[in-house]
Amino acid sequence: QQQVRQSPQSLTVWEGGTTVLTCSYEDSTFNYFPWYQQFPGEGPALLISILSVSDKKEDGRFTTFFNKREKKLSLHIIDSQPGDSATYFCAASALEEGADRLTFGKGTQLIIQP
Amino acid sequence: EAAVTQSPRNKVTVTGGNVTLSCRQTNSHNYMYWYRQDTGHGLRLIHYSYGAGNLQIGDVPDGYKATRTTQEDFFLLLELASPSQTSLYFCASSGYEQYFGPGTRLTVL
Repeated sequence: QQQVRQSPQSLTVWEGGTTVLTCSYEDSTFNYFPWYQQFPGEGPALLISILSVSDKKEDGRFTTFFNKREKKLSLHIIDSQPGDSATYFCAASALEEGADRLTFGKGTQLIIQP
Repeated sequence: EAAVTQSPRNKVTVTGGNVTLSCRQTNSHNYMYWYRQDTGHGLRLIHYSYGAGNLQIGDVPDGYKATRTTQEDFFLLLELASPSQTSLYFCASSGYEQYFGPGTRLTVL
């Protein structure tokens, strides 16, 4: 089964600090990499995504980096806030397959300490 | 943003029971998905569909049936529920990006 590996499993960061979450994947046909944010009691919500033709995408305090050669991606959160405390999932898919069939990592539980 | 709703939000049943989880999306997306979420496993795809009457098998389909009756409605059926199916179930829909519903927490006693 195709795998997406995510680390760390849990992470605590002080308020104002920079959070870094990482994922790696195996299938070289993957070309679409979204990150989802999930709060307790809610469904995952799309946070930011990147295509394999890019190596960086920014959205406010959130930036995702993609390294095709190493098959790795990362999510950076600058000026981390207590409201960013959530579980984060990376995912991957091969859009040419005609379906947005995502393979998810197991998630990182992030706590931002005030 | 896509609107995906699920019902019920919570369900308790007994082993061997019959359960139907419902999902509706209102943005005319072609694709709909059912996932289960368990601690230590993340989100795992059960079944998905690209239109009314279509069904595709996901990664963990055993013990589950699904039916897509309309563009909007996708159902997950557990005909003989087992304790191993106690989980948090999410429905999602996509045109390009996937949007998730709020989830159904199912407990099988």
